[in-house]
Parts: sequence; C-alpha cells; structure tokens
Amino acid sequence: QVQLQESGPGLVKPSQTLSLICTVSGGSITSGAYYWSWIRQHPGKGLEWIGYIHYSGNTNYNPSLKSRVIISVDTSKNLFSLDLSSVTAADTAVYYCARDRQDSVTVTWGQGTLVTVSS
Amino acid sequence: QSVLTQPPSVSGAPGQRVILSCTGSSSNLGTGYDVQWYQQLPGTAPKLLIFANNNRPSGVPDRFSGSRSGTSASLAIAGLQAEDEADYYCQSYDSSLTRVFGGGTKLTVL
Repeated sequence: QVQLQESGPGLVKPSQTLSLICTVSGGSITSGAYYWSWIRQHPGKGLEWIGYIHYSGNTNYNPSLKSRVIISVDTSKNLFSLDLSSVTAADTAVYYCARDRQDSVTVTWGQGTLVTVSS
Repeated sequence: QSVLTQPPSVSGAPGQRVILSCTGSSSNLGTGYDVQWYQQLPGTAPKLLIFANNNRPSGVPDRFSGSRSGTSASLAIAGLQAEDEADYYCQSYDSSLTRVFGGGTKLTVL
C-alpha cells in the first residue's frame, strides 16, 4: 500500500522559499499511472490545489501560484518536492502531498504538515 | 473565496438522510467536468468518498451517493451515523483544467 510522508521546515520567514519533500513508500514514483500533487489547506479553511508532476517531468500548476511554484521529482530517491518562493503570511497552511490517478482523482494523501510563515 | 460554493454547515439526526450541495458555474461544473467528493474527519487528511460524480471507491459504504446536474452536484448520506461527522469538500475542474474545490461543508450529527 502506497504511503506518502511530507517533511520540511515548520517555520519559514517572509520573502523566503518554502521547501517541502514528499517521500513515497510502498510503491514506485515512476509508475506511469499516477501523478504526484501538492494541495494546501489554510487554517480553518478549504483546500487549494497547488500543482502536480508526472515522473516524466510533466507539470501543471495552479495559475494563481504558478509564478512562485516549482514541483520536481527525484526518481532515484522515490520522492517529489515543492518549492514556493517569496512567501507571505498568506502562505501559512497545512501542506499535503498526494497521489492522483490519470483521471486526476486524488486517491492517496499524506498526513499533511503545517508550515507557518512568520518572522 | 472558493470557486465552488458549498453551504458552511449541515446537520441531521442519526438515521436521517442529508444532502450536501455544491454549486459551480458554466466554466466548471457546467462544462461537464466530473465532480469528486472528499471527507475530512477532524485532524486528518481528506479521503476520497465519491469520484466521477457518482462512483464509490472500494470500502466506501453505499450510504454515500453522488449526483450531478448542470452547474450543481450533490452528495447524499443516508442512515446518518455519528462517525459521519466531518467536513465534506466537492472538487472539479475549471476551463484551464485547474482543480477547484468548494469551501467545504461541516456536517454535524445531532
């Protein structure tokens, strides 16, 4: 059974880059049948899709975040990562990594990690 | 503000049937894109409940059902149980194939 685990700093200073890693276990990230996503949830709020990557390197980002987001994949380590630049307090959220089927349905979620942007 | 509109809260007594609504527009649900529903229990990650409008993943009880018509979708929960108390989110796509979510509905079992 595939499991996902987010890791990274819980506190990031304004204007810096938020960097998170999602480690995939129980399956290979090179399975062409899946895409690998990042989704966030602001405290007490709804969900916001950030973007996804396929192991081939194909990406798709939310237009509202596209100028600040990079999602990359490391097939040798079976992980993918998120970089969000120029963060502000509005980027404070729980960040989830997730696995999507080819029909874009999210079928597996990580447990989530809270990232706070504050000086 | 979320692209898809959901009522902030819905409540029902055990055993009752409740319906959660999700309203979009001509640029998302009205275009014919599929709708998914996710259940988020307190303090946990969301879980897929319904995909492609009315399909249940393995393990989801048949008390949960989904439907979609025009620019709206709905999730029905029959035989309400205490364990159903959670936040429920609808999700679809917009014209640029960006995934969009509703703001979520908090279901309270009285």
